[in-house]
Amino acid sequence: LAKTTQPISMDSYEGQEVNITCSHNNIATNDYITWYQQFPSQGPRFIIQGYKTKVTNEVASLFIPADRKSSTLSLPRVSLSDTAVYYCLVALINDYKLSFGAGTTVTVRA
Amino acid sequence: GAGVSQSPRYKVAKRGQDVALRCDPISGHVSLFWYQQALGQGPEFLTYFQNEAQLDKSGLPSDRFFAERPEGSVSTLKIQRTQQEDSAVYLCASSAADSKGYTFGSGTRLTVV
Repeated sequence: LAKTTQPISMDSYEGQEVNITCSHNNIATNDYITWYQQFPSQGPRFIIQGYKTKVTNEVASLFIPADRKSSTLSLPRVSLSDTAVYYCLVALINDYKLSFGAGTTVTVRA
Repeated sequence: GAGVSQSPRYKVAKRGQDVALRCDPISGHVSLFWYQQALGQGPEFLTYFQNEAQLDKSGLPSDRFFAERPEGSVSTLKIQRTQQEDSAVYLCASSAADSKGYTFGSGTRLTVV
């Protein structure tokens, strides 16, 4: 499994865009990048997954440069309810053994 | 059901006691996983089932940990002779064969005193 590095914590304010960058220098050709969100007292929730370029859904956007050695999760116009831990994972599409790491704690303030 | 259901939500056990944690996956989900999450850490893989078959138990920390899924739906994680280091949140997740990502339950918080 490719090792990932992401900031331990980030602070933001309501209405701002939050960008979390994850480094994965050893990503393999067939690896995908997946992000999960975890609220206190809940299990992680799948947010978005991508292989290259840009992926967007109703929750977030995922930007992946051509070399794929990093990726950026973008949360548009955050609200207080976006306060959570965000995990970046790199693995094969069918790899069932997820490696979460410590994640990035995002705190949104009023 | 609509989501993955775990019970109990909280469990306090005296050191040396046996505990059983239950997971009801989403109906029809073939794959089921157990993860352990220590305070301030990300979840760590324990074991994986495909239907009733336990295909990977490499993450179970010791032979005191045992998981089963006898009919390919509900699963139970059993911990014998609990120790303080077993205190953690135990998360269950399930997935369908063609879905992206897993659906996690809210977990069982185990505290061993």
